Amino acid sequence: GQNIDQPTEMTATEGAIVQINCTYQTSGFNGLFWYQQHAGEAPTFLSYNVLDGLEEKGRFSSFLSRSKGYSYLLLKELQMKDSASYLCAVRSHSGNTPLVFGKGTRLSVIA
Amino acid sequence: KAGVTQTPRYLIKTRGQQVTLSCSPISGHRSVSWYQQTPGQGLQFLFEYFSETQRNKGNFPGRFSGRQFSNSRSEMNVSTLELGDSALYLCASSFGTGNNEQFFGPGTRLTVL
Repeated sequence: GQNIDQPTEMTATEGAIVQINCTYQTSGFNGLFWYQQHAGEAPTFLSYNVLDGLEEKGRFSSFLSRSKGYSYLLLKELQMKDSASYLCAVRSHSGNTPLVFGKGTRLSVIA
Repeated sequence: KAGVTQTPRYLIKTRGQQVTLSCSPISGHRSVSWYQQTPGQGLQFLFEYFSETQRNKGNFPGRFSGRQFSNSRSEMNVSTLELGDSALYLCASSFGTGNNEQFFGPGTRLTVL
């Protein structure tokens, strides 16, 4: 089977740094995605990792360790608009296998 | 470039009825995936279509079906609706299959009474 775990909720302060973890157990691995979803809106793509290491994109960074089945999304200089759900998704095999999503982490940024 | 569009945005049905949802992908995108999103289960994969062919299917009963047309537009149908089918149904398009980034539409909020 396939399992993706994320914390259900997190709270952080404006201006701070927050790390959202994602662990996965899949029958294979061919890439991990992070999406942001504001309440009532569609998910939007944040990052993609397929090799071990850190991918940085502005205030957001994503890290992957394939040997540990682990990823994290790092958000720096938090802003109120970062309050949203963050979804981790894994593609288990190459080609046309569908993404498997975690249940998401709801982040609340407070003043 | 216009994004993914879904119609209708909101829908209220009663148990036993059937419903058809529509998705128009980004121009040039040939892959369309459908997901069901509920608070308890998160995003769950329904099916994926590429060039009018179903490439993958999730673990949903046969009441859930879909199709894709030659212009890449896709529809999904749910027959004999149940209360548990109340959810946000999201459509995502991508240029191809594999690890292409998926672009999500705004979703159709279905409520079954």
